[in-house]
Amino acid sequence: QKEVEQDPGPLSVPEGAIVSLNCTYSNSAFQYFMWYRQYSRKGPELLMYTYSSGNKEDGRFTAQVDKSSKYISLFIRDSQPSDSATYLCAMSVSFGNEKLTFGTGTRLTIIP
Amino acid sequence: KAGVTQTPRYLIKTRGQQVTLSCSPISGHRSVSWYQQTPGQGLQFLFEYFSETQRNKGNFPGRFSGRQFSNSRSEMNVSTLELGDSALYLCASSSGTSGTGELFFGEGSRLTVL
Repeated sequence: QKEVEQDPGPLSVPEGAIVSLNCTYSNSAFQYFMWYRQYSRKGPELLMYTYSSGNKEDGRFTAQVDKSSKYISLFIRDSQPSDSATYLCAMSVSFGNEKLTFGTGTRLTIIP
Repeated sequence: KAGVTQTPRYLIKTRGQQVTLSCSPISGHRSVSWYQQTPGQGLQFLFEYFSETQRNKGNFPGRFSGRQFSNSRSEMNVSTLELGDSALYLCASSSGTSGTGELFFGEGSRLTVL
C-alpha cells in the first residue's frame, strides 16, 4: 500500500464549477502538506503549503488538512480552463525536509 | 531569474548502458533533489544534495547515484539500465533552509530504455 493515495481521475468539470481534489495518507508522521500543479510537459510548481491541520486560502484555492482522518483536500472555486493540469499532493515529515512523498496526481480538465 | 535547467531533455538508451543527467539549479539555491516520475508510481524521491553532501536518500537501488559540485550543479547517474528505468527524471532546487516545501522543478529529462 502506498503512503499517499490519490485518485488519478481524469476529472472533467465545466468552467465556473467548484473542484474538489483529495488525498489520503497512512503515515501519521507527516506534518507538512503541499499541493503542486503540473502542466503538460512541465515540471510541478507549488500551489499551496500548509502545516498540520486546518484550512488555508489563497485566491480561488483552499487547502484543507484533517490529520485525525489522514485526509487532505484542495478546492478550486470558479474554475478556469487555465486550471486544466495534473494536481499532485505532497507531504513531508519535518521542517526543511526536501524529501517529499507525492500522490500519483489527479488529471483535471476544465471544459469552457 | 533563470529557472532550473536540465539536460538532456530527451534520451534513448538500451538495456545495460549507463546514463548521466545534469541539473543546474536556480542561482543561490544550495539544495538539489532528484525525483523519478512514472505513470504508475508518480513522483518518487531519489536523493537530495545540499552543499555537495547527500542529505537524504530514497529507496532506490545502488545503480542510481548522484553528486553535487561546488557551484551547486548536480548530476545523477544510472548504471546498468533496465526497461523499468524509463521515466521522467525531475530535478528540483531550493534554498535548503526555508522549510516551506517549495521545490522549484525543472522540465525534466525523459529517459527511454529499449
